[in-house]
Amino acid sequence: AQSVTQLGSHVSVSEGALVLLRCNYSSSVPPYLFWYVQYPNQGLQLLLKYTTGATLVKGINGFEAEFKKSETSFHLTKPSAHMSDAAEYFCAVSGSGGSYIPTFGRGTSLIVHP
Amino acid sequence: SAVISQKPSRDICQRGTSLTIQCQVDSQVTMMFWYRQQPGQSLTLIATANQGSEATYESGFVIDKFPISRPNLTFSTLTVSNMSPEDSSIYLCSAGTGNTEAFFGQGTRLTVV
Repeated sequence: AQSVTQLGSHVSVSEGALVLLRCNYSSSVPPYLFWYVQYPNQGLQLLLKYTTGATLVKGINGFEAEFKKSETSFHLTKPSAHMSDAAEYFCAVSGSGGSYIPTFGRGTSLIVHP
Repeated sequence: SAVISQKPSRDICQRGTSLTIQCQVDSQVTMMFWYRQQPGQSLTLIATANQGSEATYESGFVIDKFPISRPNLTFSTLTVSNMSPEDSSIYLCSAGTGNTEAFFGQGTRLTVV
């Protein structure tokens, strides 16, 4: 079985501040890990993914995430928040038990203050 | 990558009626899924749409309520049957090749009154 825990349903930062969204996963096999973003009234867009290789993954819009196997974590960061980053962010895992169907976390709403 | 077109984008329906949502992918994909996203919540997998055979439903979802078709590798439909206000949600079509990321449509925002 696989699962994802996103700590914090809401994260509030000031524009220009560091963004840190936390994600921990559970998987019985090396996982595939993903971060998706959902802007209001839109579908999900892939920000970045980890499958194999380099554990620090860079994505779109200046976001990056680091796969830490020892901590079973895949936290999402961005050095400087923009107002346009305000959205819902979902962490997802797949690959466990031969299943490539992603399991999603509950999501974290990022609020950016001017 | 794959581009997924989903329609309608939104609808308001009367209780007791049914709505069919269409999902078209611009390339052949191995897997197609349907998710439900209730207000302020995460995505819940309804079923995997299988080409030419019955869909595989997750616990809590049944074919009579959510019939799904997938006649070929690029197209699927989800019907929400005999709707009630509790069915008001966002329904998302997703597609993938099985060992990479899943792509998503824009979603169908359904309100049942």
